Amino acid sequence: DSGVTQTPKHLITATGQRVTLRCSPRSGDLSVYWYQQSLDQGLQFLIQYYNGEERAKGNILERFSAQQFPDLHSELNLSSLELGDSALYFCASSVAHSNTEAFFGQGTRLTVV
Amino acid sequence: DAKTTQPPSMDCAEGRAANLPCNHSTISGNEYVYWYRQIHSQGPQYIIHGLKNNETNEMASLIITEDRKSSTLILPHATLRDTAVYYCIVRVNSGGSNYKLTFGKGTLLTVNP
Repeated sequence: DSGVTQTPKHLITATGQRVTLRCSPRSGDLSVYWYQQSLDQGLQFLIQYYNGEERAKGNILERFSAQQFPDLHSELNLSSLELGDSALYFCASSVAHSNTEAFFGQGTRLTVV
Repeated sequence: DAKTTQPPSMDCAEGRAANLPCNHSTISGNEYVYWYRQIHSQGPQYIIHGLKNNETNEMASLIITEDRKSSTLILPHATLRDTAVYYCIVRVNSGGSNYKLTFGKGTLLTVNP
Protein backbone atom coordinates (compact mmCIF):
# COMPACT_ATOMS: atom_id res chain seq x y z
CA ASP A 1 0.00 0.00 0.00
CA SER A 2 1.58 3.25 -1.20
CA GLY A 3 -0.60 5.45 1.00
CA VAL A 4 -2.07 7.24 -2.02
CA THR A 5 -5.82 6.71 -2.38
CA GLN A 6 -7.70 7.11 -5.62
CA THR A 7 -11.45 6.94 -6.07
CA PRO A 8 -13.34 5.53 -7.76
CA LYS A 9 -11.44 2.42 -8.84
CA HIS A 10 -13.61 1.91 -11.89
CA LEU A 11 -15.81 4.30 -13.84
CA ILE A 12 -17.94 3.66 -16.90
CA THR A 13 -19.54 6.59 -18.61
CA ALA A 14 -20.89 7.68 -21.97
CA THR A 15 -19.29 9.90 -24.56
CA GLY A 16 -19.88 13.59 -23.99
CA GLN A 17 -20.16 13.21 -20.23
CA ARG A 18 -18.02 14.72 -17.49
CA VAL A 19 -16.34 12.86 -14.63
CA THR A 20 -14.23 13.73 -11.62
CA LEU A 21 -11.40 11.55 -10.36
CA ARG A 22 -10.21 12.04 -6.82
CA CYS A 23 -6.80 11.56 -5.23
CA SER A 24 -5.75 11.70 -1.59
CA PRO A 25 -1.96 11.94 -1.30
CA ARG A 26 0.17 10.29 1.35
CA SER A 27 0.10 12.04 4.69
CA GLY A 28 2.60 14.89 4.60
CA ASP A 29 3.06 14.93 0.83
CA LEU A 30 2.54 18.34 -0.74
CA SER A 31 2.99 17.46 -4.39
CA VAL A 32 0.48 15.61 -6.54
CA TYR A 33 1.00 14.33 -10.08
CA TRP A 34 -1.55 12.96 -12.55
CA TYR A 35 -0.71 10.45 -15.26
CA GLN A 36 -2.76 8.80 -18.00
CA GLN A 37 -1.99 5.30 -19.21
CA SER A 38 -3.64 3.95 -22.31
CA LEU A 39 -2.71 0.78 -24.18
CA ASP A 40 -1.01 2.51 -27.07
CA GLN A 41 0.52 5.51 -25.29
CA GLY A 42 2.10 4.23 -22.12
CA LEU A 43 2.30 6.45 -19.03
CA GLN A 44 1.78 10.08 -20.00
CA PHE A 45 2.38 12.89 -17.53
CA LEU A 46 -0.60 15.23 -17.36
CA ILE A 47 -0.11 17.79 -14.62
CA GLN A 48 1.52 18.47 -11.26
CA TYR A 49 0.39 20.52 -8.27
CA TYR A 50 2.40 21.56 -5.26
CA ASN A 51 0.68 22.88 -2.15
CA GLY A 52 -2.33 24.04 -4.15
CA GLU A 53 -0.46 25.61 -7.05
CA GLU A 54 0.04 24.24 -10.53
CA ARG A 55 3.75 23.47 -11.07
CA ALA A 56 4.09 21.64 -14.35
CA LYS A 57 1.92 20.72 -17.28
CA GLY A 58 2.37 17.83 -19.63
CA ASN A 59 0.17 16.43 -22.35
CA ILE A 60 -3.08 17.50 -20.77
CA LEU A 61 -6.00 18.22 -23.08
CA GLU A 62 -7.99 21.43 -22.76
CA ARG A 63 -11.05 19.31 -21.93
CA PHE A 64 -9.21 18.16 -18.79
CA SER A 65 -8.53 20.23 -15.71
CA ALA A 66 -7.26 19.61 -12.24
CA GLN A 67 -6.95 21.31 -8.90
CA GLN A 68 -5.45 20.71 -5.50
CA PHE A 69 -7.44 21.75 -2.48
CA PRO A 70 -6.29 23.23 0.86
CA ASP A 71 -6.43 19.79 2.45
CA LEU A 72 -4.05 18.70 -0.36
CA HIS A 73 -6.37 16.24 -2.03
CA SER A 74 -6.62 16.66 -5.77
CA GLU A 75 -9.28 16.20 -8.40
CA LEU A 76 -8.92 15.60 -12.11
CA ASN A 77 -11.93 16.70 -14.14
CA LEU A 78 -12.48 15.20 -17.56
CA SER A 79 -15.22 16.68 -19.74
CA SER A 80 -16.74 16.10 -23.17
CA LEU A 81 -15.44 12.58 -22.92
CA GLU A 82 -14.45 10.68 -26.03
CA LEU A 83 -13.86 6.99 -26.58
CA GLY A 84 -10.13 7.66 -26.73
CA ASP A 85 -10.14 8.96 -23.16
CA SER A 86 -10.62 5.43 -21.92
CA ALA A 87 -7.52 4.71 -19.89
CA LEU A 88 -6.03 4.17 -16.46
CA TYR A 89 -5.53 7.42 -14.60
CA PHE A 90 -2.89 7.43 -11.90
CA CYS A 91 -2.22 9.91 -9.19
CA ALA A 92 1.14 10.08 -7.45
CA SER A 93 2.39 12.14 -4.54
CA SER A 94 5.73 13.18 -3.16
CA VAL A 95 6.96 15.25 -0.25
CA ALA A 96 8.26 18.18 -2.28
CA HIS A 97 7.96 19.43 -5.83
CA SER A 98 11.61 18.69 -6.51
CA ASN A 99 11.54 15.25 -4.97
CA THR A 100 10.39 12.83 -7.57
CA GLU A 101 10.55 9.75 -5.39
CA ALA A 102 6.86 9.59 -6.06
CA PHE A 103 4.35 7.11 -4.69
CA PHE A 104 1.53 6.05 -6.97
CA GLY A 105 -2.04 5.14 -6.23
CA GLN A 106 -3.74 2.11 -7.71
CA GLY A 107 -5.42 4.15 -10.40
CA THR A 108 -8.90 4.78 -11.72
CA ARG A 109 -9.90 2.77 -14.76
CA LEU A 110 -12.11 4.94 -16.94
CA THR A 111 -14.15 3.35 -19.71
CA VAL A 112 -16.00 5.63 -22.09
CA VAL A 113 -18.72 3.89 -24.09
CA ASP B 1 14.61 15.39 -22.43
CA ALA B 2 17.40 12.91 -21.77
CA LYS B 3 16.10 9.74 -23.37
CA THR B 4 16.57 6.21 -22.17
CA THR B 5 16.80 3.02 -24.16
CA GLN B 6 15.81 -0.31 -22.68
CA PRO B 7 15.29 -3.75 -24.19
CA PRO B 8 11.57 -4.40 -24.62
CA SER B 9 11.66 -7.71 -22.79
CA MET B 10 13.86 -10.04 -20.77
CA ASP B 11 13.52 -13.41 -19.09
CA CYS B 12 15.03 -14.57 -15.85
CA ALA B 13 14.91 -17.82 -13.90
CA GLU B 14 13.44 -17.70 -10.43
CA GLY B 15 16.14 -17.36 -7.79
CA ARG B 16 18.70 -15.98 -10.20
CA ALA B 17 19.84 -12.39 -10.46
CA ALA B 18 18.01 -10.23 -12.96
CA ASN B 19 20.18 -7.57 -14.62
CA LEU B 20 18.21 -4.92 -16.47
CA PRO B 21 20.25 -2.56 -18.65
CA CYS B 22 19.48 1.03 -19.57
CA ASN B 23 21.26 3.43 -21.90
CA HIS B 24 21.04 7.18 -21.24
CA SER B 25 23.88 8.56 -23.33
CA THR B 26 22.55 12.16 -23.35
CA ILE B 27 22.23 12.46 -19.59
CA SER B 28 23.44 15.72 -18.06
CA GLY B 29 25.78 15.95 -15.11
CA ASN B 30 23.12 16.79 -12.54
CA GLU B 31 20.37 14.48 -13.75
CA TYR B 32 19.43 11.49 -11.66
CA VAL B 33 18.54 8.03 -12.91
CA TYR B 34 15.36 6.59 -11.41
CA TRP B 35 13.91 3.10 -11.65
CA TYR B 36 10.27 2.24 -11.21
CA ARG B 37 8.35 -0.92 -11.92
CA GLN B 38 4.73 -1.61 -12.74
CA ILE B 39 3.11 -4.93 -12.01
CA HIS B 40 0.24 -5.52 -14.39
CA SER B 41 -2.09 -2.48 -14.34
CA GLN B 42 -1.10 -1.55 -10.79
CA GLY B 43 0.39 1.83 -9.94
CA PRO B 44 4.12 2.18 -10.65
CA GLN B 45 6.34 1.44 -7.69
CA TYR B 46 9.55 3.31 -6.88
CA ILE B 47 12.61 1.04 -6.72
CA ILE B 48 15.80 3.08 -6.50
CA HIS B 49 17.59 6.13 -7.85
CA GLY B 50 21.17 7.39 -8.18
CA LEU B 51 23.39 10.10 -9.58
CA LYS B 52 26.96 8.81 -9.86
CA ASN B 53 27.62 6.22 -7.22
CA ASN B 54 26.25 2.73 -7.08
CA GLU B 55 23.24 2.42 -4.80
CA THR B 56 21.66 -0.46 -2.95
CA ASN B 57 18.46 -0.82 -0.98
CA GLU B 58 16.26 -3.64 0.18
CA MET B 59 14.77 -4.10 -3.26
CA ALA B 60 17.65 -3.77 -5.69
CA SER B 61 21.07 -2.45 -6.61
CA LEU B 62 21.80 0.24 -9.15
CA ILE B 63 25.11 0.24 -10.99
CA ILE B 64 25.91 3.42 -12.93
CA THR B 65 28.88 3.46 -15.30
CA GLU B 66 31.64 5.96 -14.69
CA ASP B 67 30.69 8.01 -17.75
CA ARG B 68 27.03 7.85 -16.58
CA LYS B 69 25.85 6.88 -20.05
CA SER B 70 24.32 3.63 -18.90
CA SER B 71 23.12 1.86 -15.82
CA THR B 72 22.02 -1.59 -14.69
CA LEU B 73 19.32 -2.46 -12.21
CA ILE B 74 20.03 -5.69 -10.38
CA LEU B 75 17.41 -7.76 -8.60
CA PRO B 76 19.65 -10.18 -6.71
CA HIS B 77 17.24 -13.09 -6.31
CA ALA B 78 14.30 -12.71 -8.65
CA THR B 79 10.96 -14.17 -7.63
CA LEU B 80 7.81 -14.73 -9.64
CA ARG B 81 6.36 -11.59 -8.05
CA ASP B 82 9.11 -9.53 -9.68
CA THR B 83 7.50 -10.08 -13.08
CA ALA B 84 6.69 -6.53 -14.15
CA VAL B 85 7.54 -3.71 -16.55
CA TYR B 86 10.67 -1.92 -15.33
CA TYR B 87 11.13 1.72 -16.24
CA CYS B 88 14.47 3.49 -16.33
CA ILE B 89 13.90 7.24 -16.15
CA VAL B 90 16.16 10.25 -16.23
CA ARG B 91 14.73 12.94 -13.99
CA VAL B 92 14.30 16.11 -16.03
CA ASN B 93 14.18 19.67 -14.77
CA SER B 94 10.87 21.14 -15.92
CA GLY B 95 11.59 24.66 -14.74
CA GLY B 96 13.11 26.21 -11.63
CA SER B 97 13.42 23.61 -8.90
CA ASN B 98 10.67 21.53 -10.45
CA TYR B 99 11.24 18.09 -11.90
CA LYS B 100 9.12 15.51 -13.63
CA LEU B 101 9.38 11.84 -14.45
CA THR B 102 8.85 10.91 -18.07
CA PHE B 103 8.13 7.22 -18.53
CA GLY B 104 9.22 5.35 -21.63
CA LYS B 105 8.11 1.88 -22.69
CA GLY B 106 10.27 0.04 -20.18
CA THR B 107 11.42 -3.58 -20.09
CA LEU B 108 8.97 -6.39 -19.45
CA LEU B 109 10.81 -8.75 -17.11
CA THR B 110 9.33 -12.21 -16.94
CA VAL B 111 10.56 -14.41 -14.11
CA ASN B 112 10.11 -18.06 -14.94
CA PRO B 113 9.79 -20.92 -12.43
